[in-house]
Formats: sequence, structure tokens, C-alpha cells
Amino acid sequence: EAEVAQSPRYKITEKSQAVAFWCDPISGHATLYWYRQILGQGPELLVQFQDESVVDDSQLPKDRFSAERLKGVDSTLKIQPAELGDSAMYLCASRSQRSGANVLTFGAGSRLTVL
Amino acid sequence: EDQVTQSPEALRLQEGESSSLNCSYTVSGLRGLFWYRQDPGKGPEFLFTLYSAGEEKEKERLKATLTKKESFLHITAPKPEDSATYLCAVPRGMNRDDKIIFGKGTRLHILP
Repeated sequence: EAEVAQSPRYKITEKSQAVAFWCDPISGHATLYWYRQILGQGPELLVQFQDESVVDDSQLPKDRFSAERLKGVDSTLKIQPAELGDSAMYLCASRSQRSGANVLTFGAGSRLTVL
Repeated sequence: EDQVTQSPEALRLQEGESSSLNCSYTVSGLRGLFWYRQDPGKGPEFLFTLYSAGEEKEKERLKATLTKKESFLHITAPKPEDSATYLCAVPRGMNRDDKIIFGKGTRLHILP
């Protein structure tokens, strides 16, 4: 069964350091999402890609967060510098363009702890 | 503002005790409502899509229903393995680049 791959699964860093997360969506899925999920909350959309283009990044804190999907396949989310409030699970999801159902397939997530 | 509100925030049930979770939404032009299950430390897993009022979907002990303003996830005779967080989501927008917004979820705990 096809999966969305994410790495690392866990990351502990000190505040002011840089951190990066990687996501490889299901092959052929044109739409890719990065969500942030704080413990006890629902996922919050940070950025949405259609192929290599950003469709929505209205909730991305652009002073410290950046995201790219250069070849329209895998994607990287970067935080620099990390702050204590960035501690959360970072979820990547993808969706097939051929599916009209808007069903997202999520990866296992990358849990970030900022000390 | 488009919103998805889930209740209760948390629910503890005895094994076999049936109940319902609620998801209310304020989105213009609803284009589907989705239920996901999320186990601790994992990404959400898709359960159901509902498109129109009156529609119902079932999977094992779960049944999802939809009205014009809310959706219910009914759980019948739950087992401990049904313990998880259940998330409701809706697309916000009228085109294929819909932004998918999630509720905060209901944490369900089934006691053996």
C-alpha cells in the first residue's frame, strides 16, 4: 500500500536552531499539504502545493518558516530559528488530482520538541 | 468565518456503551465532510466522506451521518481498540485547490 514518507520521525532541538522536515508523497499525487498539530488540537494548514507551486501559505509564519517543492515531488519544510512555541507534530499529506473526493493521505508525522 | 467545531472534546465510555460524536460546520457551499481517525503519535487515517444531507456511511462499529449543519459519528458497542481521536474536516472553497480545515477532534477512550 502506497504511503506518504516523512523524516525525521522525532527531532529535539534548542531554540534559535534551524530544523528541517522532509516529505515524499504518494507517487503521482500532485497536491501536497503541510499541517502543524499542537498536542490536543486539530491539524492546522501551514502550506499547500499544487505540483511545484504554492497554492496557500496564508498561515505559514514566513519570518521563520519556509517550504519548497522544487520538482513537484518531495517537499521540505524548514524552521529557522526555532522557537519554544514551534513544538508540535508536523504532518505531511498528499492528494491525487484524479480524485475529486479531497481525501488526504497523511504521513506518520515529524514530532518536534524545542528546548 | 468558516469553522468546524467538534464536541465533546473528550469522551470516556465503557466497552459496549454506544454513543455519538458531533461535528458542526459553518462553511458556505459544503463540498463534502470527512471523518478521520488518529491514533497517538500517528497521522490521521481516512474513514468516511459524506456529500449530502441524509447520507450515511458505515464501517464496522462506526456510522457517519450528515445534516445541513452537522455530522454525527455514531459508535455502536465500542471496543477498546476504537480508542483514538476522531477528526472532522471540510474543504473550504469551490475549486479543486480546496483548503481542508479540521476540527480540534474528539478524544475517545473505551474502557475494557
